[in-house]
Amino acid sequence: GQNIDQPTEMTATEGAIVQINCTYQTSGFNGLFWYQQHAGEAPTFLSYNVLDGLEEKGRFSSFLSRSKGYSYLLLKELQMKDSASYLCAVGTDDYKLSFGAGTTVTVRA
Amino acid sequence: GAGVSQSPRYKVAKRGQDVALRCDPISGHVSLFWYQQALGQGPEFLTYFQNEAQLDKSGLPSDRFFAERPEGSVSTLKIQRTQQEDSAVYLCASSVGRGQETQYFGPGTRLLVL
Repeated sequence: GQNIDQPTEMTATEGAIVQINCTYQTSGFNGLFWYQQHAGEAPTFLSYNVLDGLEEKGRFSSFLSRSKGYSYLLLKELQMKDSASYLCAVGTDDYKLSFGAGTTVTVRA
Repeated sequence: GAGVSQSPRYKVAKRGQDVALRCDPISGHVSLFWYQQALGQGPEFLTYFQNEAQLDKSGLPSDRFFAERPEGSVSTLKIQRTQQEDSAVYLCASSVGRGQETQYFGPGTRLLVL
């Protein structure tokens, strides 16, 4: 089976930085995705890593270490609208995604 | 269309009823996926279509679940004789090509079985 772990909840203050960690043990690896999901809405794509290293996209960055089975999503300059669930997903074969349970981030004023 | 759409957004069914959930993927997208998302959990893979061909149905929880995509665009997920444990959000996603690519999700259908 696939094992993808991420913290259940995190709380941070507006303007701060939060790092959401994801560790995985999967039968295959074809990239790691991060999605944002607001309550009652569709997951929306944030980032994709297939090679080791850091990918930066505006206020969001994502890091991957394949040898450690580890990724993180870094959210900078937090805004209230960033309060959401963040889903770590591993591409385990040619098309399938296996998701973690999600990390609920709450941004406080 | 501009994005993936799903209907209905909410469905309440009595135990034992059949339900049909519809997904309209992004126009031209080859791949279509169905996921089931329980409260507080991540989406769980149900089935995968490449055009009209259902290439993987390994995630369907029982033979009460059936999916089709007859013309390679719109897809329907049907659940027969619904049970309370079927209550969940059913998400549809599509991607442009055939490989491991970014999947674009619809808003989901929230199914409640009483």
